Amino acid sequence: DTGVSQDPRHKITKRGQNVTFRCDPISEHNRLYWYRQTLGQGPEFLTYFQNEAQLEKSRLLSDRFSAERPKGSFSTLEIQRTEQGDSAMYLCASSLVDSVYEQFFGPGTRLTVL
Amino acid sequence: GQQVMQIPQYQHVQEGEDFTTYCNSSTTLSNIQWYKQRPGGHPVFLIQLVKSGEVKKQKRLTFQFGEAKKNSSLHITATQTTDVGTYFCAGKTNAGKSTFGDGTTLTVKP
Repeated sequence: DTGVSQDPRHKITKRGQNVTFRCDPISEHNRLYWYRQTLGQGPEFLTYFQNEAQLEKSRLLSDRFSAERPKGSFSTLEIQRTEQGDSAMYLCASSLVDSVYEQFFGPGTRLTVL
Repeated sequence: GQQVMQIPQYQHVQEGEDFTTYCNSSTTLSNIQWYKQRPGGHPVFLIQLVKSGEVKKQKRLTFQFGEAKKNSSLHITATQTTDVGTYFCAGKTNAGKSTFGDGTTLTVKP
C-alpha cells in the first residue's frame, strides 16, 4: 500500500454518462498527477497539480475531461459524455514537489464504458 | 512532443537467464525513472537516474543512464519468477511531467 487511494476502484457506465473519480494522495505530497493506461501501453500523462494549481494539461485531453484539486489535497477527475474510447485504467500518483522525487501510484480506477 | 520508446515489447526467458530492456528518448532528459508493474497492479518505483553515464545497482538489477541523457537500460541478472511484470521507463524533462514508455513485459519460465 503506497498511501495513495483512489475511489471507486471500478466504474461501469453507459456511453454519454458523466463520471467522477477521486484521488487522495500521500498527505505531505505537493504534486498530484493523473494518468490513463490502456492494455499494453504505459501510463499516458493527462494532467498534474502542484498544490491546488493545475500546471499542465495534456493536449490529448479533450474538453470533456476536467480535473480539480480545490484545497491542494484530494483531486477529482471528471469525464463528461463518456465514449467507449474512454475505457481505461485511470491512475493517480503523487510526489513531493522537487522533480527528483519518485511518484507513488494509487491502485487506479478501471472505467468501462458500454 | 517528447517520445519515449522501449524495446523489446515482450521478453520470455528461462529462469536463471539474464534480461535487458532498453529505453530511448527523443529529447534530452533531466532524469529517468524506472517502474515495475505486476500483472493487475500499479506501477511501483524502482530507481531514478540523474547524472550522465550514471550506473546504479539494486541486487540483481543494474540501471544505466546514457552519456547523452537520452537513453537508459535495465539489466536483470539470473532472472527469478518474482521478476515477472512490465518494466517501464519514465523520462522527465525540466518541465515536470513524466513521459512513460510502453514497457517491456517479462515472463519467466521456471
